[in-house]
Amino acid sequence: AQSVTQPDIHITVSEGASLELRCNYSYGATPYLFWYVQSPGQGLQLLLKYFSGDTLVQGIKGFEAEFKRSQSSFNLRKPSVHWSDAAEYFCAVAGSTGTASKLTFGTGTRLQVTL
Amino acid sequence: NAGVTQTPKFQVLKTGQSMTLQCAQDMNHEYMSWYRQDPGMGLRLIHYSVGAGITDQGEVPNGYNVSRSTTEDFPLRLLSAAPSQTSVYFCASRKRQGGQPQHFGDGTRLSIL
Repeated sequence: AQSVTQPDIHITVSEGASLELRCNYSYGATPYLFWYVQSPGQGLQLLLKYFSGDTLVQGIKGFEAEFKRSQSSFNLRKPSVHWSDAAEYFCAVAGSTGTASKLTFGTGTRLQVTL
Repeated sequence: NAGVTQTPKFQVLKTGQSMTLQCAQDMNHEYMSWYRQDPGMGLRLIHYSVGAGITDQGEVPNGYNVSRSTTEDFPLRLLSAAPSQTSVYFCASRKRQGGQPQHFGDGTRLSIL
């Protein structure tokens, strides 16, 4: 069965500092990988996705993520964090076979940004 | 486009009451799903549907029923609410092709007393 691990429950960074959120997945083949962001009281918004090809993926709001097959990782990065980036971030994996492939989420990482 | 619309946004029930959470999408997406979000547990799949007339169970289906009579609507029913069903519920939809990103509604916050 597929699974996702986000080892950091809570991260605090200063505004302007760089950010890296960790994500490790388990899946038997090449998966579809996603990062979503959730602001308080809101639904989930897609930041970026990886299907195949270039392992460095660019997303919205200046975020990027790198797929590393050898490490089963898909870490999210941002060079300079803004106060508005404070939110909860979810990594998710979907199977690459069949139209009914389900999305499995990690437990999330809450980002706090200090001014 | 409204995207994925969930109603109501908030609801308080008593144990044993029944209720239906509504979900509608206007993107002609074949695949729809329901998740519940609990602190420290991420989102867990309750039920999903790959098209009208077809539904299947997810990770945590007990206590919930679904049906899919149209492409647009995917209601979630709690037949006899229990305090353990206190949660935030999200509906999502996507195109049928594997790996397509899901679009989420804003959620329904449900409290069972």
